Amino acid sequence: QQQVKQSPQSLIVQKGGISIINCAYENTAFDYFPWYQQFPGKGPALLIAIRPDVSEKKEGRFTISFNKSAKQFSLHIMDSQPGDSATYFCAASLSQGAQKLVFGQGTRLTINP
Amino acid sequence: GAVVSQHPSRVICKSGTSVKIECRSLDFQATTMFWYRQFPKQSLMLMATSNEGSKATYEQGVEKDKFLINHASLTLSTLTVTSAHPEDSSFYICSARTGAVCYFGPGTRLLVL
Repeated sequence: QQQVKQSPQSLIVQKGGISIINCAYENTAFDYFPWYQQFPGKGPALLIAIRPDVSEKKEGRFTISFNKSAKQFSLHIMDSQPGDSATYFCAASLSQGAQKLVFGQGTRLTINP
Repeated sequence: GAVVSQHPSRVICKSGTSVKIECRSLDFQATTMFWYRQFPKQSLMLMATSNEGSKATYEQGVEKDKFLINHASLTLSTLTVTSAHPEDSSFYICSARTGAVCYFGPGTRLLVL
């Protein structure tokens, strides 16, 4: 009920290509879905987040697509660059109260130059 | 964006000693802070949730007497690893929540010899 499943575990994309990472959740009460980017030896950094009242949110080269009926959301990185090589985590939570984030397993993205 | 700091960034200690890690929200007040542990190439494992002025809520399997958490103010939480052993060596990351958004610190690398 509380799980967030993320795929793929690792992804290799050529420079300039589109990177796509998918997540699926179970708890329909979740109403906040962030994505975090983590470089080795650093803490996760908030990349972009979406709420279920919209189906898509775009910030620069990063887009979240959200499918409420399928309980799925995905991160698209357009024009992927070597500097985007990092581990990406999706997460879900309730926006009210002291609710914890439920994280996906992470995707290690490598952008080949 | 909001900034969360952690101190120290890395610490090496002898087995049996205690280590304190500080987590501060620098430009916002956080009613809730979270402490995570991360093993290499794995997702973040939530250890505990702490609310200002109250006792921390620990996740199942986390020893509260070993990992002491204090959330003394709206901008400061501390994690003390008591009687540290080599198996406690890990990357510890804190997170501070404001509204629905969680911001993460840069992490603390603990090595217990």
